[in-house]
Amino acid sequence: SQQGEEDPQALSIQEGENATMNCSYKTSINNLQWYRQNSGRGLVHLILIRSNEREKHSGRLRVTLDTSKKSSSLLITASRAADTASYFCATGVRGNNDMRFGAGTRLTVKP
Amino acid sequence: GAVVSQHPSRVICKSGTSVKIECRSLDFQATTMFWYRQFPKQSLMLMATSNEGSKATYEQGVEKDKFLINHASLTLSTLTVTSAHPEDSSFYICSARDRGLALFNEQFFGPGTRLTVL
Repeated sequence: SQQGEEDPQALSIQEGENATMNCSYKTSINNLQWYRQNSGRGLVHLILIRSNEREKHSGRLRVTLDTSKKSSSLLITASRAADTASYFCATGVRGNNDMRFGAGTRLTVKP
Repeated sequence: GAVVSQHPSRVICKSGTSVKIECRSLDFQATTMFWYRQFPKQSLMLMATSNEGSKATYEQGVEKDKFLINHASLTLSTLTVTSAHPEDSSFYICSARDRGLALFNEQFFGPGTRLTVL
């Protein structure tokens, strides 16, 4: 069963704008990861944030985690057309081995 | 580091045949590997968890006799789709859990295998 739910399901912005995607989950987690997937391709790991962390940065990516609200956000700044892809959050649940994926946000960045 | 490969990347087969997909951790030992499937424009759904040297644990609704999983070593797991049918056509993705990073459940994903059953 899925754990995370991304919001919005689809997002369309102009190049240069910022894109914010949110992820909510239901149970306690060890960590939360964001992945990117281009159409028909494999997953690319973007960033992992652990349950004891609140914010992480990687290049143009900024991820926040609020365990009290069971939510995370992914911010892509100064978006580019090449950022067009689907973005998934996946949660690692304490005591379990596997990760559960949300439905994903389809981001379109128009040149 | 932390690279996971899958082979083949793409396979087309006739209905009724069996297809084997390999998942390898290239630079780390993976005590646990996971198999997911993904239908077009949908999320990844966990099929099974594979532990080295033991039987795989299947998710509810996944037929273990149809999707045979073998995890014979710390760097290799295989998924065999037996007697494949068109409805088995999907994108199959594996992931591997790094033995050394087990505390935080970090996993690394393969690039996926596109299976098309005619």
